[in-house]
Amino acid sequence: DVKVTQSSRYLVKRTGEKVFLECVQDMDHENMFWYRQDPGLGLRLIYFSYDVKMKEKGDIPEGYSVSREKKERFSLILESASTNQTSMYLCASSQAKYTSGSGRETQYFGPGTRLLVL
Amino acid sequence: QKEVEQDPGPLSVPEGAIVSLNCTYSNSAFQYFMWYRQYSRKGPELLMYTYSSGNKEDGRFTAQVDKSSKYISLFIRDSQPSDSATYLCAIVTGGGNKLTFGTGTQLKVEL
Repeated sequence: DVKVTQSSRYLVKRTGEKVFLECVQDMDHENMFWYRQDPGLGLRLIYFSYDVKMKEKGDIPEGYSVSREKKERFSLILESASTNQTSMYLCASSQAKYTSGSGRETQYFGPGTRLLVL
Repeated sequence: QKEVEQDPGPLSVPEGAIVSLNCTYSNSAFQYFMWYRQYSRKGPELLMYTYSSGNKEDGRFTAQVDKSSKYISLFIRDSQPSDSATYLCAIVTGGGNKLTFGTGTQLKVEL
């Protein structure tokens, strides 16, 4: 079974702090993703990565950065946390680089990190 | 216009009811569709994957795609309290490397 783990389930930080959220997958997947999930807004893509040291902006990258130094690990960084970054953060991974229709585009999610910024 | 739209609910049904969850999408070029289920305080998990028009069945769940109407549906037969969750539709976009999600429909199945 694919396993995606996230470093924390719950996190409380103060405004202005630098925050690191870690994600690790154990299935040698090429792609990794960071989303935030808010009521009424659904899942919104922050950043994703196709390969080590590679990153692409998603729909809402402002205020975030990412790092992928190893294939299995993808980190999300909040450079200076703000209250509007209070949210549920979800990491996911998937196998495929190219569309195939075989289901390899399926994304496997971690349990999420609930971040509260005070 | 959003790429995918989904009625957020909440939807409350009695145990044993047939549930219909729906999404519409904007781009007729989309070919691959998924349904995810998300229990409270957990990450989403894949429920169904379809890539053509018509129906796909898996136990009590049926996924339906109508490409002419750009409409996707998930039907749950004989709904159970354990089906209470948020259901998200997703469309494969970005050349196969990205998914675009609906906002999710919250379902509660009551005894």
